[in-house]
Amino acid sequence: GAVVSQHPSRVICKSGTSVKIECRSLDFQATTMFWYRQFPKQSLMLMATSNEGSKATYEQGVEKDKFLINHASLTLSTLTVTSAHPEDSSFYICSARDYWLNGTSTDTQYFGPGTRLTVL
Amino acid sequence: DQQVKQNSPSLSVQEGRISILNCDYTNSMFDYFLWYKKYPAEGPTFLISISSIKDKNEDGRFTVFLNKSAKHLSLHIVPSQPGDSAVYFCAASALYNFNKFYFGSGTKLNVKP
Repeated sequence: GAVVSQHPSRVICKSGTSVKIECRSLDFQATTMFWYRQFPKQSLMLMATSNEGSKATYEQGVEKDKFLINHASLTLSTLTVTSAHPEDSSFYICSARDYWLNGTSTDTQYFGPGTRLTVL
Repeated sequence: DQQVKQNSPSLSVQEGRISILNCDYTNSMFDYFLWYKKYPAEGPTFLISISSIKDKNEDGRFTVFLNKSAKHLSLHIVPSQPGDSAVYFCAASALYNFNKFYFGSGTKLNVKP
């Protein structure tokens, strides 16, 4: 249980285009999903918290008009990188929060496999 | 402001021996801690967690120890296996801000055959 998928796994696009990344919780409902960014040899940087049915909460320094987040259902959140530029090239990872695992109360984030974005 | 720190960027251990990965935190409000394992170009995989009401949690070869007075936690892997070679992240959260997990910078573990 607690599987999170991400699509696409990698994308290469031209500067100025927009890219949408999907994050799905496959076997549980996630009221909260998170979007992270990881630069080479660095830790995960939380970009925003996505709550189903409401606006995302962005971390300081993250442009909400640049990184559009939509959490339309309990199993799907999308991140759209608008007008992408080479400096947006990174590894984007989503996670979904699950409170119950195998009947046991827990509070854990389960991560997707990540999306490698390369902007030319 | 790095509230969760992993001061060892890398660790090398012989197969069969114990691996000890350390993590320190500064926020005394943190009351839930997790360890994740990450391979290159993949998302982190949840390993084990511990709440502040415990000082030890064990799951197979993995044991997490929590020392609240020292604001320190550690992950023990015994016996270490070559497949354990990966980057390990510790994370912490607080009840008052349950939505936010703070991650350390990671420790790259290399288990030599």
